[in-house]
Amino acid sequence: AQSVAQPEDQVNVAEGNPLTVKCTYSVSGNPYLFWYVQYPNRGLQFLLKYITGDNLVKGSYGFEAEFNKSQTSFHLKKPSALVSDSALYFCAVRDGSNTGKLIFGQGTTLQVKP
Amino acid sequence: NAGVTQTPKFRILKIGQSMTLQCTQDMNHNYMYWYRQDPGMGLKLIYYSVGAGITDKGEVPNGYNVSRSTTEDFPLRLELAAPSQTSVYFCASSYYQAGSYNEQFFGPGTRLTVL
Repeated sequence: AQSVAQPEDQVNVAEGNPLTVKCTYSVSGNPYLFWYVQYPNRGLQFLLKYITGDNLVKGSYGFEAEFNKSQTSFHLKKPSALVSDSALYFCAVRDGSNTGKLIFGQGTTLQVKP
Repeated sequence: NAGVTQTPKFRILKIGQSMTLQCTQDMNHNYMYWYRQDPGMGLKLIYYSVGAGITDKGEVPNGYNVSRSTTEDFPLRLELAAPSQTSVYFCASSYYQAGSYNEQFFGPGTRLTVL
């Protein structure tokens, strides 16, 4: 069965520093991976996805993610964090069916301090 | 283009009451989904639909029902509300065709409290 794990409940970084939010996955077959962000009292917003091709995927708001097949990871990164990046981040993997269903990690709260 | 809209934004129910959470999308997406979000638990799939007239259970369907009579609308029904159904509910949609890997678009959510 497909699964995804986000090992950190919270990540704290200082503004201007690089940030990493971790995600590992377990799938049978090819992994199709997504990152979403949720600001307080809002719905989820799509950031980026990995389907195939380059291991470094670029997305919205300056975020990027690195796909590593050998480590079964898909970590979200940003070279320079902003206070406005503070939010809840979800990693998700598509299940193996043809229904487009996503399996979500439990989420990681990113806190960027001035 | 409003995307995915959900009503109401907030609702308080008494135990045993029923209600319908509305979801509408204007993107002509064929697939629609209902999730619930509980703190620290991520999102859990309640029901999904791959087209008008076709629905199926997700991971946590007990206590809920859905229907999909049109492409645009996908209402979620709670028949006998229980405190365990206190949660934030999100509707999402996507366009799926064989070989596509499109992202899901989410509505703003409905915060439901059952007392």
